[in-house]
Amino acid sequence: GAVVSQHPSRVICKSGTSVKIECRSLDFQATTMFWYRQFPKQSLMLMATSNEGSKATYEQGVEKDKFLINHASLTLSTLTVTSAHPEDSSFYICSALTGEAEAFFGQGTRLTVV
Amino acid sequence: QKEVEQDPGPLSVPEGAIVSLNCTYSNSAFQYFMWYRQYSRKGPELLMYTYSSGNKEDGRFTAQVDKSSKYISLFIRDSQPSDSATYLCASRGTGRRALTFGSGTRLQVQP
Repeated sequence: GAVVSQHPSRVICKSGTSVKIECRSLDFQATTMFWYRQFPKQSLMLMATSNEGSKATYEQGVEKDKFLINHASLTLSTLTVTSAHPEDSSFYICSALTGEAEAFFGQGTRLTVV
Repeated sequence: QKEVEQDPGPLSVPEGAIVSLNCTYSNSAFQYFMWYRQYSRKGPELLMYTYSSGNKEDGRFTAQVDKSSKYISLFIRDSQPSDSATYLCASRGTGRRALTFGSGTRLQVQP
């Protein structure tokens, strides 16, 4: 299957700082990428849809000023958690669409805010 | 009511057993159905992808979709300890491109 690379896999940051997570489609172009958040033993919660060359579409309840998404190219989307706080600690996962419906996921990023 | 319902388990089976994982969905517009496997602290891995109703087989895995009853199934034959993971079903329609996920079922295959 297609390969989606997410970096970093794990990050620890201090409260109040910002963290950037990258999501790259390695062997295909992805006009649409998605960002999810996953709490322990729970399913994936869609945060936003990232479209290349346009503004991201955020799900209800997700603060767009806190979770900045940039999809500057067909192979790269970034999620920046701004002014991170301990409650932002979570597992963040991106996915990219190839073709009509197949979505491939990155390895995930475990964010810990201390 | 969630759009995609899935029994969280855990489901524990002996090695070699046939595993049946199931989901139900409520949105009649759903046309695409996926099964993902997720190991602890990893991203989900796409196992099976089905469009509309029908069966699809890939090795030890068989996916079934019955749109009349809004029922999605994944069967794993000759289950192995390495199959121990959380299995997520997901669906979407032709409009909205984001997937709607079930809550995931934790499977444990005992050696």
